[in-house]
Order: sequence, then C-alpha cells, then structure tokens
Amino acid sequence: EIVLTQSPGTLSLSPGERATLSCRASQSVNSVYVAWYQQKPGQAPRLLIYGASVRATGIPDRFSGSGSGTEFTLTINRVEPDDFAVYFCQQYGTSPVTFGQGTRLDIK
Amino acid sequence: QARLVESGGGVVQPGKSLRLSCAASGFDFGTYPMHWVRQAPGKGPEWISFISSHGSNEYYADSAKGRFTISRDNPKNTLYLQLDSLTAEDTALYYCARDALPDTWEYYFDLWGQGALVTVSS
Repeated sequence: EIVLTQSPGTLSLSPGERATLSCRASQSVNSVYVAWYQQKPGQAPRLLIYGASVRATGIPDRFSGSGSGTEFTLTINRVEPDDFAVYFCQQYGTSPVTFGQGTRLDIK
Repeated sequence: QARLVESGGGVVQPGKSLRLSCAASGFDFGTYPMHWVRQAPGKGPEWISFISSHGSNEYYADSAKGRFTISRDNPKNTLYLQLDSLTAEDTALYYCARDALPDTWEYYFDLWGQGALVTVSS
C-alpha cells in the first residue's frame, strides 16, 4: 500500500502567516488523486481539496493544493484563527486508499 | 441539509461482535456509494470498507477482511457495519462517509458522520 508521510508534524504560526504543509507518498500517486482534509477537535474530517488542487464546495480560496507524483502540498495563505486544526492528506488513486498521519497547525 | 448519524458503538470484550448503523438524511442515499473509515486515538484515518450505491459491490481493507461486513438498506436510508471477532486493535472512532460523487466510485469523502466509538477491552 502507499504510505503517506506528512511534514512537519506540528506547524506553529501566527494569524496572517502562510502555512505550507507537505505530503510525501512512498510511490507515485495515480493521476493526482490526492485529497486534503481539515479536522478540529471532536469533529469529523472536512474535505478541503480533491484532485490535488480542486477546492471542495464552500472552501475559501486561501486554501490551495498542488503537486504531482510523490510530492503534494497544501498551502493556506493568510492563516485565520479558524484554520488552526489538524490536516490530513489522502491518496485515492491506488487501492487501498490511505491517509497521512496528519500535521497539526498551532497558534504561535 | 445532508447528514450522517452513526450509532451502535460501545465497549465490547475481545472476540465479541458489534453492529454499527449510520442513518442518512438530506440527500438521495440510494445513489451514493458509501464507506466506513475509522480513526484510532491520535492517529490518521484508516479506510475500512466500501459498498456501491445498490449494494452489489463490497470491498474491504485487509484489516477488515473476513471479520467485518458492510451492508445497506436503501429504503431505510441506512448503512451498516457488522464487526466480528474484535480485538484491541479495532478500538477506534468509526465514521461512515459518503463517496464524493453519486453513481461513481471516487473514494474520497465529502460528507462524514460524527463517529461511533468502539472500545475493545476485557
């Protein structure tokens, strides 16, 4: 199965800064089938990005995804207080679908 | 508004069984493939099982094969997961999740329930 490794484990930023979250796959992901989710404490994951770069319905344009092959990135421009959460990447191009272990975005 | 609500979680002894339910509302349940995804404390999510919109196709993660069974009742708008031969490693929050597009198999998830906690302990 494809192992997804997210870095950093924790990212500490101040509101207004840019967040860059990385997701590295153990082998190439088929046709950019990568999604990103946000999870807040006590809540279910929320879909942010699919197809590596397509924002889900209702997701603000400060969230953007990029990448291909084995390297994928979620960028949050001008982080807002509501953005502090855990972020997971997922690949769905190869069975079984797999998730990364998450990056926690903390307030600095 | 589309919604998924899980039930049936609890504390169970190793080797025992449990049945989870997921009640869907606010969307055409019978047109969407559905999944179960679990998340152990402090870990990333783990996909467990898939069922097609009409229930004719089922797929399982290796960790679930032979022990878990997914099913659905479209007239009742309900998804199920039968958990048998449970071990401590199955302790997790179990989410039902909707496949992102109707009548196709995308395997990413645009709607999640709040989760049902399963704790396997003697």
